[in-house]
Amino acid sequence: RKEVEQDPGPFNVPEGATVAFNCTYSNSASQSFFWYRQDCRKEPKLLMSVYSSGNEDGRFTAQLNRASQYISLLIRDSKLSDSATYLCVVNHHDSWGKLQFGAGTQVVVTP
Amino acid sequence: DVKVTQSSRYLVKRTGEKVFLECVQDMDHENMFWYRQDPGLGLRLIYFSYDVKMKEKGDIPEGYSVSREKKERFSLILESASTNQTSMYLCASRPGTGRFDEQYFGPGTRLTVT
Repeated sequence: RKEVEQDPGPFNVPEGATVAFNCTYSNSASQSFFWYRQDCRKEPKLLMSVYSSGNEDGRFTAQLNRASQYISLLIRDSKLSDSATYLCVVNHHDSWGKLQFGAGTQVVVTP
Repeated sequence: DVKVTQSSRYLVKRTGEKVFLECVQDMDHENMFWYRQDPGLGLRLIYFSYDVKMKEKGDIPEGYSVSREKKERFSLILESASTNQTSMYLCASRPGTGRFDEQYFGPGTRLTVT
């Protein structure tokens, strides 16, 4: 079983709509969580960290559910520029700063 | 502005050749990483280093070695390239072991082994 699992998509979303997707992780000792964004043929970049109480950054909202071991990302009022692959990332406390990456969820925003 | 650079964007090598991929970061980060990324498999960690001359195996170290002689530079070596090592290689650096430290990636090297 993979440590971090994501629905690969693609999620096809009309411009202006809301899209949400989850990621599950298997290690209950995981300490910190992130969403990274990767554009086609580019390197991943940090989108947002995910805090225990959930957090929002503009149109993006991230939630953490420790009991069920998943994190979620919600994108409101989708823009064409939101088209990308979103990587779920998990950090174990004892892993020397080594992050575990999911394979990514592809989002395609259409006009 | 943190910068991670990789020596080549595209590389074509023949089976059996020795291949060097270089990575340099300019922010004095402790940790450096080498990943490969393949469709459907995501990012897989090959090796990482948390200090000069220190290295640890990642999830798929077979067929690779690394070198970190200076803090800012982390090299990935393919001793004898094989076709199954055709992939996108991404280098990354991270400041320390802070829980929410951001990891910064280089632009990647697309390696083709023929």
